[in-house]
Amino acid sequence: GAVVSQHPSWVICKSGTSVKIECRSLDFQATTMFWYRQFPKQSLMLMATSNEGSKATYEQGVEKDKFLINHASLTLSTLTVTSAHPEDSSFYICSAWTSGLSTDTQYFGPGTRLTVL
Amino acid sequence: RKEVEQDPGPFNVPEGATVAFNCTYSNSASQSFFWYRQDCRKEPKLLMSVYSSGNEDGRFTAQLNRASQYISLLIRDSKLSDSATYLCVVPRGANAGNMLTFGGGTRLMVKP
Repeated sequence: GAVVSQHPSWVICKSGTSVKIECRSLDFQATTMFWYRQFPKQSLMLMATSNEGSKATYEQGVEKDKFLINHASLTLSTLTVTSAHPEDSSFYICSAWTSGLSTDTQYFGPGTRLTVL
Repeated sequence: RKEVEQDPGPFNVPEGATVAFNCTYSNSASQSFFWYRQDCRKEPKLLMSVYSSGNEDGRFTAQLNRASQYISLLIRDSKLSDSATYLCVVPRGANAGNMLTFGGGTRLMVKP
């Protein structure tokens, strides 16, 4: 149980385009979803925290107008990278959490590898 | 002091060896702690949770020292499949529903 999916797994796009990444909790309703970014040889860095029906809370230094987060339901959150540039190329990972699961942890999606040319 | 700090390694050990990683954290209010494992180009996967003084699961033992604010992970009888990066993770609040702070990770390479 507690499976989180992400789509797409990888995407290559031209500079200036927008890319949408979906994160779904498949077998549970997630109270909270998180978006992380990981650059090569670095650890995960939290970008934003998202609760269903409310605005996302962004970490310091993360531009909310560039990284649009929509948390439309308890099982779906989307991250849109607007006007992507090569420096946005990274591994984007979402996670989902809810209380009451057998293990108190965030469940991670498999990640989306974004390459901006 | 960094919020969560780990020795990046790499730790190169032979199969069958015992290896230990340490992690220090700065938030004295943290109540729970996690060790995740991350394979190359994959998402992190939960290895162990630590809520009190420690936790043991087969070959893996995690210990918590609140006074010194560090957590350790001990791996006994290392297998080739243990080769990965081990991430020490500390929630900013009382549980994993709060924002997680990841350490930089410790890379382990187990050799035949």
